[in-house]
Amino acid sequence: EIVLTQSPDTLSVSPGERVTLSCRASQIISSIHLAWHQQKAGQAPRLLIFGTSTRETGTPDRFSGSGSGTDFTLTISRLEPEDFAVYYCQHYGDSLPITFGQGTRLDIK
Amino acid sequence: QVQLLQSGAEVKKPGSSVKVSCKIVVGFSTPFAISWVRQAPGQGLEWMGRLTPLVGTTKLAHKFEGRLTSTADRSTSTVYMELSSLTSEDTATYFCATTTAVNLLDLWGQGTLVIVSS
Repeated sequence: EIVLTQSPDTLSVSPGERVTLSCRASQIISSIHLAWHQQKAGQAPRLLIFGTSTRETGTPDRFSGSGSGTDFTLTISRLEPEDFAVYYCQHYGDSLPITFGQGTRLDIK
Repeated sequence: QVQLLQSGAEVKKPGSSVKVSCKIVVGFSTPFAISWVRQAPGQGLEWMGRLTPLVGTTKLAHKFEGRLTSTADRSTSTVYMELSSLTSEDTATYFCATTTAVNLLDLWGQGTLVIVSS
């Protein structure tokens, strides 16, 4: 089973800032099998990015993903008020179980 | 466009079972699979298992084997998740999500809160 560890757990930032969230896998994974989901308070998660860097339809281009091997990042170039949420990375692929990181919460400073 | 509509909140006694439904409102295609994911209050996401509706096969996370059953009613495009032997630790919001052939969760239902309390 792939274990995903996200850092930091919480990040306090101001609107307009650039932020980078980290997701580290317990072993090398294919970059085509790493996704990011956003969950706003009281809502269901929403797929933002898959295949490490491909934005899902409707994801603003201020969101970008990168990485390879065991280290992956989600960058938000300029935080908007609606971006304050919890972000989860997800590993997927042919093997199960599907795993998630523990989440990174973005709070307004 | 596919949408997933889940059943409403439930309150259950310890030791009982709960059955949550997830109706697939299909635009253009039937999802390969439907996964179930739960989220305890204030906690992260935990994948429980998935059902492939067209063939009826299930794959479960190890900790839910023997306690989780997922079925599909193709006539109503509805997938069900039944969890038995409930304890307070099963108090959570349960989500269904469309799942691709490589297990990417790409669309989520709105969630169903299940409270287990005596």
